[in-house]
Amino acid sequence: DGGITQSPKYLFRKEGQNVTLSCEQNLNHDAMYWYRQDPGQGLRLIYYSQIVNDFQKGDIAEGYSVSREKKESFPLTVTSAQKNPTAFYLCASSRDRELRQYFGPGTRLTVT
Amino acid sequence: SQQGEEDPQALSIQEGENATMNCSYKTSINNLQWYRQNSGRGLVHLILIRSNEREKHSGRLRVTLDTSKKSSSLLITASRAADTASYFCAIYSSNDYKLSFGAGTTVTVRA
Repeated sequence: DGGITQSPKYLFRKEGQNVTLSCEQNLNHDAMYWYRQDPGQGLRLIYYSQIVNDFQKGDIAEGYSVSREKKESFPLTVTSAQKNPTAFYLCASSRDRELRQYFGPGTRLTVT
Repeated sequence: SQQGEEDPQALSIQEGENATMNCSYKTSINNLQWYRQNSGRGLVHLILIRSNEREKHSGRLRVTLDTSKKSSSLLITASRAADTASYFCAIYSSNDYKLSFGAGTTVTVRA
C-alpha cells in the first residue's frame, strides 16, 4: 500500500457523533485525497489538498471536513451532518495531481 | 463528475485464459489510469496511458487507448487466481483537474 497508512482499519460510531479518520504518508507527496467507496461502486472524491494549509472540496464534501497542517498528514472528520456515513474510506497521495495515486489500506466506518 | 464507465460489470474466466475489460468516457482527457482493488483493500496503480499514446504494456497487462472513440481497454493475458479483483479505470482531465473513477469490473479467475 505504498507508504500511506490509515487508521483504524475498522471504526464503529453511534449516530450523532463526529469521528476523525487518520491518513499519514511518508512519500513526500504534495497532493493528498480522500475518497468514499460504497458497495459495488467506484470512488467518489470528498476532499483533496495540493499543498499544506490548502484544500478543496470534491464531489461529495457535505458533512465532511479536513485539515492539512503538515505535509505528511491529511485527517478527515465525518461530522454528524453527514446523512449516510457508513462506507469504506480511502486516502491517497500523489506527487502531482496528474500522476498516479498511491492508496492507503482504507478505513471501514460503520455508524449505527 | 466526468468519470469513465467500465464494461462488463463482472467477468468470470478460467485460469490461463485472457480477460478483457473496456472503459468509455465522454470528455477530453490528459491521461487514463487503470487500478486494481482486492476485496476490502486499497487500490493499486497498474498503468497510466497519456492521451498521445495508443498502447502500453506492463508484464501480462496491455492497455490500449483510442481517443477518437473515447475508449480504453485493459487486457490481462494468461490469467491467474491472484488476478481475481476489481479493476477500475480513472480519467484525468484538465477540465476539472481531478481523477474520476468508474464503477469497476469485477474479475473472477476460476482455478
